[in-house]
Amino acid sequence: DQQVKQNSPSLSVQEGRISILNCDYTNSMFDYFLWYKKYPAEGPTFLISISSIKDKNEDGRFTVFLNKSAKHLSLHIVPSQPGDSAVYFCAARREKLTFGTGTRLTIIP
Amino acid sequence: GAGVSQTPSNKVTEKGKYVELRCDPISGHTALYWYRQSLGQGPEFLIYFQGTGAADDSGLPNDRFFAVRPEGSVSTLKIQRTERGDSAVYLCASSLQGAGVNTEAFFGQGTRLTVV
Repeated sequence: DQQVKQNSPSLSVQEGRISILNCDYTNSMFDYFLWYKKYPAEGPTFLISISSIKDKNEDGRFTVFLNKSAKHLSLHIVPSQPGDSAVYFCAARREKLTFGTGTRLTIIP
Repeated sequence: GAGVSQTPSNKVTEKGKYVELRCDPISGHTALYWYRQSLGQGPEFLIYFQGTGAADDSGLPNDRFFAVRPEGSVSTLKIQRTERGDSAVYLCASSLQGAGVNTEAFFGQGTRLTVV
């Protein structure tokens, strides 16, 4: 039972444009959501998070949106840069973190 | 050190052997997590410690897997009678506190286990 889903395994975006990564979840008890970025041969690195009581959190080029009624969150990166190329995981927490399967983002120069 | 440290970074072992994977969390972090990541998948939860005790071990796949954290700091993941299907990257993470607190978990670089 995949409680956190990232339905797009890959995404390519032109440098300077907006990247939008999506994540859906099924468990309404999740209280905290996070996005992690992963480069090859490294552990995931925390990027941005949002509490379930909020609908938006912004940090520089990164914004996370949460739609609780749709059980959907998204990560917006604008403007996209070549260094943003990585695998992005969304994670949801109810005591422990449950991860999605990841989306590989490629920024095209 | 400043981050979560995992040793070894790579481990190749023969089927049927016993292995131990070590995790040094960030100093002061009371919560410690073990995850396993197979190719093309997201990190899969194994076990979560709050202090010295396992608060949730529901992700351990079977009784060949065991983890300890005797002093509430360093943790060791132990795998007995390894099988080829155990091959994966084993990730450790720690956070300042566990459930109910909005702090992120910081990951180590992982241990790549290959069972041949």
